[in-house]
Amino acid sequence: EPEVTQTPSHQVTQMGQEVILRCVPISNHLYFYWYRQILGQKVEFLVSFYNNEISEKSEIFDDQFSVERPDGSNFTLKIRSTKLEDSAMYFCASIETAQQGRNEQFFGPGTRLTVL
Amino acid sequence: SQKIEQNSEALNIQEGKTATLTCNYTNYSPAYLQWYRQDPGRGPVFLLLIRENEKEKRKERLKVTFDTTLKQSLFHITASQPADSATYLCVPSFSGNTPLVFGKGTRLSVIA
Repeated sequence: EPEVTQTPSHQVTQMGQEVILRCVPISNHLYFYWYRQILGQKVEFLVSFYNNEISEKSEIFDDQFSVERPDGSNFTLKIRSTKLEDSAMYFCASIETAQQGRNEQFFGPGTRLTVL
Repeated sequence: SQKIEQNSEALNIQEGKTATLTCNYTNYSPAYLQWYRQDPGRGPVFLLLIRENEKEKRKERLKVTFDTTLKQSLFHITASQPADSATYLCVPSFSGNTPLVFGKGTRLSVIA
């Protein structure tokens, strides 16, 4: 069964460093998302992406964050200058269609980001 | 403000019994509700979607109901097993590609 993949599974970085989290959504999916989950808290939406541009973003998604779909398969989240509070699990998700009632989101296994 | 609540943060149940999780929403009317399962350290996994004009939806041992009058959805797992232990998340949806808004969910523990 097709699945969303994410790399790396765990990333450790120093505060102030840049990180790039990578995702390969399911191949025929058209809408892509990034969410994060701080330990013990709920999953929070960061950004959605469609047709090579951001379609929606949350307050969390400030100027330190950017997303890109550099080729036909990868979808990346870049954090320019990491802060301690960026430590979280980051999940990529995708959906096939915006048709109502068929938009269950498929989530990747996540990348655990630890900022020291 | 729009609000969605699940009846409890944690629910313990004996193996073989039916687990019932409740999701209540106020101040809005979602077109449909999605239920997800999340295991520790893993991403949410889609389970079921129910539309506002559907009363009930089933999938194997899972059953979801949607009562738009009560503004409530019930999620049932029959013949529960320890492997069903996880956090279950009720997520309202409106249009096709809107981002999902998650609550904390209900952490279900099935005890052997």
